[in-house]
Order: sequence, then C-alpha cells, then structure tokens
Amino acid sequence: KNEVEQSPQNLTAQEGEFITINCSYSVGISALHWLQQHPGGGIVSLFMLSSGKKKHGRLIATINIQEKHSSLHITASHPRDSAVYICAVGGTGTASKLTFGTGTRLQVTL
Amino acid sequence: GAGVSQSPSNKVTEKGKDVELRCDPISGHTALYWYRQSLGQGLEFLIYFQGNSAPDKSGLPSDRFSAERTGGSVSTLTIQRTQQEDSAVYLCASSPHPSGQRYGYTFGSGTRLTVV
Repeated sequence: KNEVEQSPQNLTAQEGEFITINCSYSVGISALHWLQQHPGGGIVSLFMLSSGKKKHGRLIATINIQEKHSSLHITASHPRDSAVYICAVGGTGTASKLTFGTGTRLQVTL
Repeated sequence: GAGVSQSPSNKVTEKGKDVELRCDPISGHTALYWYRQSLGQGLEFLIYFQGNSAPDKSGLPSDRFSAERTGGSVSTLTIQRTQQEDSAVYLCASSPHPSGQRYGYTFGSGTRLTVV
C-alpha cells in the first residue's frame, strides 16, 4: 500500500462544476503539499498546510491531521484548471523529502 | 535567478552513454532536492542536498547515479552508462529552509531524458 493515496485517479468535469480531490496518507508528516502539473509543464506548488484550511482564489485545501486526510477543492472549474494534481507529504526528518501520491488527472470541458 | 532553472530541458542519449543534468536553484536556497518521474509513475525522491552536503541520498537507484553540489548553488546529477529504464523526467526543487516546511519548495521545469 502506498504511503500516499489519491482519489480519483482521473476526473472529468464540465466547466463551472465544483471539484474535490482526496488524499490520504499513512505516515507521520510535518506538512502536506498540493502541487499542480500541466501537460509538458513543470510543477507548481499550490498549497502547503499542516492544519486547518487554506484558500487561494478558487482553490481551497483542507487537512484533518487526526484522520490523515486532505482535500483539494476547485470551485467554478474552468478548462485552464485541466492538469494533474499531486498530493505530497513532507516527512518529519530534517531532510523532509516529499513522498508523492500518484496524482489525479483533471480534465475540465466546456 | 527568479526560479529554479534546469538544463537541458530535453536530452536524448544512446544506451551506455553518460549524461549530466544541471540544476540552478533560487539564489540563497540552501536545500536542494532531485526527484524522478518515470512514465506512468509517480514522483520519487533521489537525493537531498543541504548546502554542499548530501545527508540523504537514499533514493539513488544504483551506483550509476551520482550528484554533487558546488558553492551551495548549482547541482549536477550524473548518470553513467545509461539504461533505457533511466528514461524519465528529472526534477529539481529548492527551498530556503533546510526542511522545506516553512517556505515550501520551488520546482524546476525538469529535464526529460530519453535513452534509446
């Protein structure tokens, strides 16, 4: 079993829909990261959170430390949101290397 | 620089040749990480630098892989005697904080390596 599990693996939505991507992890963490990767593009860090909730524009990320679960929400989705969304957790060691989920491929259509 | 710069962006090499991949982190970022993303697979950790030292190189898949960092800045990942299974996107990330947990990470655009 992977240390970081994401669901769904693939998601297709129509423009304007509310989207939720889930992430569960099984190890102790110091922080959880949501990353975005566009086709052929690099990776952009969306959120880093260790508790509660963060909001940036139409994106909202929440984390429940007790349940070891995080969600990424996209409100009023748009075709430009089409990308792979990756959940990653930072360990508690000094290196804090990231352990990644396998990603959720989101396609938003008109 | 303004971001993490990686070069080359694409590299095609023949099996058995050596390759060098370069990462130029954001100025002042002390922590530098190399990750690999193989086709159809998730990202995996390769090596972590704090300054010029590599306290964690547990992710390097074999002794054909090595990396160094000089001047607390540029890092080079070297793959000797490349194999087809080395084909992947190699990503570099840097952070101003040793653990990356205070300020997060900035990723480069990656080097796509194809071994033919």
